[in-house]
Amino acid sequence: GAVVSQHPSRVICKSGTSVKIECRSLDFQATTMFWYRQFPKQSLMLMATSNEGSKATYEQGVEKDKFLINHASLTLSTLTVTSAHPEDSSFYICSAKHLQETQYFGPGTRLLVL
Amino acid sequence: AQSVTQPDIHITVSEGASLELRCNYSYGATPYLFWYVQSPGQGLQLLLKYFSGDTLVQGIKGFEAEFKRSQSSFNLRKPSVHWSDAAEYFCAVGHNNAGNMLTFGGGTRLMVKP
Repeated sequence: GAVVSQHPSRVICKSGTSVKIECRSLDFQATTMFWYRQFPKQSLMLMATSNEGSKATYEQGVEKDKFLINHASLTLSTLTVTSAHPEDSSFYICSAKHLQETQYFGPGTRLLVL
Repeated sequence: AQSVTQPDIHITVSEGASLELRCNYSYGATPYLFWYVQSPGQGLQLLLKYFSGDTLVQGIKGFEAEFKRSQSSFNLRKPSVHWSDAAEYFCAVGHNNAGNMLTFGGGTRLMVKP
């Protein structure tokens, strides 16, 4: 199946700093990418959907100015957590798909904000 | 609005025993149903999906699931569990067979006893 990677796999940062997480589709062109957030022992919650070359569509309750999403190419989307605070600590997972084909998930990025 | 319920938060089975993980959904139209598995600290892997046809769906790793419209259920089964099956399992419902706009259940953590 298709492969989606995320970088970094883990990141620790100080409160108030910004963190960028990359999501790449390695062997297919991702026309759409999704960003999810997962709290410990909980399910995945969709944060936003991004189509290549367009602005991301955010789910209700997700601050677009805090979670900046860029999908500038067909193989790369980035999520930047701006001015991170301890409550932003979480597991962030991306997924990618080509047109109407199945979504493939990345391995996730664990963010810890001190 | 669509929703997914996984009634069992934790399940423990002995290695070699059979397994059934429950999933109930609420959806206004024909549901597209998915089961994913997540190993600790990892992303999600698609086990199987259903969108039409035979209501008994075969997936990877020896898993199968049966769609029962009358019960709004899509339970996951495996005849003989292996220790490597220990993981978190998520049921999800989507708008189409590509898995767009997925809504996840709360997950069931499977533990396997030797």
